[in-house]
Amino acid sequence: DVKVTQSSRYLVKRTGEKVFLECVQDMDHENMFWYRQDPGLGLRLIYFSYDVKMKEKGDIPEGYSVSREKKERFSLILESASTNQTSMYLCASSPGWSSGGFTGELFFGEGSRLTVL
Amino acid sequence: KQEVTQIPAALSVPEGENLVLNCSFTDSAIYNLQWFRQDPGKGLTSLLLIQSSQREQTSGRLNASLDKSSGRSTLYIAASQPGDSATYLCVRASKIIFGSGTRLSIRP
Repeated sequence: DVKVTQSSRYLVKRTGEKVFLECVQDMDHENMFWYRQDPGLGLRLIYFSYDVKMKEKGDIPEGYSVSREKKERFSLILESASTNQTSMYLCASSPGWSSGGFTGELFFGEGSRLTVL
Repeated sequence: KQEVTQIPAALSVPEGENLVLNCSFTDSAIYNLQWFRQDPGKGLTSLLLIQSSQREQTSGRLNASLDKSSGRSTLYIAASQPGDSATYLCVRASKIIFGSGTRLSIRP
């Protein structure tokens, strides 16, 4: 079975802190994604990566950056955490990419609930 | 704007009933459509993936269909159980657009 592991299930940080959320997948998937999920707003794509060192902005990239130095690991970075970044963060991976869009099945981690005080 | 809509937003039914959850999308140029369930505070668990060349997929008590011409997918749950209580989301795989979800509650 595909396994997507998020390093922290629950984090509490202070405003202004730098926060790292780590995600590792074990199925050699090309694509990895970071979403945040908020009540009433659904899942919103922050960033995605289709290859090592490659990244693309999603719908809400402001205040976030990402790093993908190895194929299996995709990190989400909050350079200076703010209270409006309190949310559930979900990492996903998928195989394959074809011209025109994504074709592979999505696999999600368990989520990281971040609270910024 | 490409959208994915799920109706109803919430549903409560007695145990044992069969039920249908709906997902509609505005762009018929679809690749895959995937259904997930999400338990409170947890990640998303994949239920069924319908490839663009398929019309339906079945897994146990679950059956998902895809009608690209009408821009709709349905998730059919047979003989519902309290353990089916969760939020169900569909995702349209081209451009990765999620529906807003249907929160399902099964009453024992």
